[in-house]
Amino acid sequence: GQNIDQPTEMTATEGAIVQINCTYQTSGFNGLFWYQQHAGEAPTFLSYNVLDGLEEKGRFSSFLSRSKGYSYLLLKELQMKDSASYLCAVRDALGDDKIIFGKGTRLHILP
Amino acid sequence: NAGVTQTPKFRVLKTGQSMTLLCAQDMNHEYMYWYRQDPGMGLRLIHYSVGEGTTAKGEVPDGYNVSRLKKQNFLLGLESAAPSQTSVYFCASRPRFISGNTIYFGEGSWLTVV
Repeated sequence: GQNIDQPTEMTATEGAIVQINCTYQTSGFNGLFWYQQHAGEAPTFLSYNVLDGLEEKGRFSSFLSRSKGYSYLLLKELQMKDSASYLCAVRDALGDDKIIFGKGTRLHILP
Repeated sequence: NAGVTQTPKFRVLKTGQSMTLLCAQDMNHEYMYWYRQDPGMGLRLIHYSVGEGTTAKGEVPDGYNVSRLKKQNFLLGLESAAPSQTSVYFCASRPRFISGNTIYFGEGSWLTVV
């Protein structure tokens, strides 16, 4: 089976940096996604990590450690529009290549 | 440029009624998924399909049935709706080989069961 954990809620200040962690346990791992989701909308893609290490895309970076079953999403220079839920999702290679999501982290940005 | 289309977008059902949600994709994708999302929860996988004519159970399949008679369509059925099935339903599709942003979501279907 799969188990994906991430904090339920986080609060940060505009202009600051925030790190959202995700730990996972899965029978077969073949990649990890991060999605952003604003209320009432579909998730939008942020990153996809297959190999260990850090990938940077503008203000957003994602890190993966397969041996530790751990990933984080780093958001820099926070803006009010970054207030959203952030979903970690794991690709289960042994289970029909299913995509399983964590419960999401709701990020609140304070001015 | 349709991508993934879900119909209907909004629906109110009475307990015990049946209905079908339709997911249509025009990208020739093999994989299709149905998720539900409840307040404070991430997306939970209901059923999925890895190709035309195939379906499989996800994390929360009870009370739902699915069919994939055509590659482009994935139908989610509620035979006898219950208030616990009040939720937002998202469909997604993807090709067999993933490289980054290759999972496409529909806009969601808001279902209320009274």
